[in-house]
Amino acid sequence: EPEVTQTPSHQVTQMGQEVILRCVPISNHLYFYWYRQILGQKVEFLVSFYNNEISEKSEIFDDQFSVERPDGSNFTLKIRSTKLEDSAMYFCASKTSGQGNTEAFFGQGTRLTVV
Amino acid sequence: AQSVTQPDIHITVSEGASLELRCNYSYGATPYLFWYVQSPGQGLQLLLKYFSGDTLVQGIKGFEAEFKRSQSSFNLRKPSVHWSDAAEYFCAVGPWNTDKLIFGTGTRLQVFP
Repeated sequence: EPEVTQTPSHQVTQMGQEVILRCVPISNHLYFYWYRQILGQKVEFLVSFYNNEISEKSEIFDDQFSVERPDGSNFTLKIRSTKLEDSAMYFCASKTSGQGNTEAFFGQGTRLTVV
Repeated sequence: AQSVTQPDIHITVSEGASLELRCNYSYGATPYLFWYVQSPGQGLQLLLKYFSGDTLVQGIKGFEAEFKRSQSSFNLRKPSVHWSDAAEYFCAVGPWNTDKLIFGTGTRLQVFP
């Protein structure tokens, strides 16, 4: 069964460093997303991406964040200068369609710890 | 503002007991409703979804959920819990005018033998 794959599963980084979280969405999907969950809090939408551009982003997704689809298979989230409050579980998701009633398939998450 | 509330942070049940996980949402119209499960080390897996029609929906792994418009609820149920059901369960709302999901805080289910 096709699945969304995220690497690494756990990343520890020093405050101020840049991190790149990687995702391989399901191959025939066209819509891509990043969500995050700070420990004990809700899973929050960060950004959606379609046709090589951001289609929607949340208030959390400020200038420190960027997304990219560098090739035909990967979808990355970059945090330019990490802060302690960026520590969270980051989930990548993909869908075949941008319709709200289409199932989103999620990866297993990357736990980012900023020290 | 759109929101999802899962009032129970942590639930413990005995194996074989019935289960109900609560979910309430706040949204102007009937949204798309989802339940996801996350087992340790796994991604979020869709259990079931409601878009329209029959308000009782069946999902995978023997789960079902009932949409109650009057209560703005979409509670998840299972008649007999198995030890492998121990996981974190997330209720989510998909507003019709956007393709992002709005999640609750999740309910961690622990199952005792």
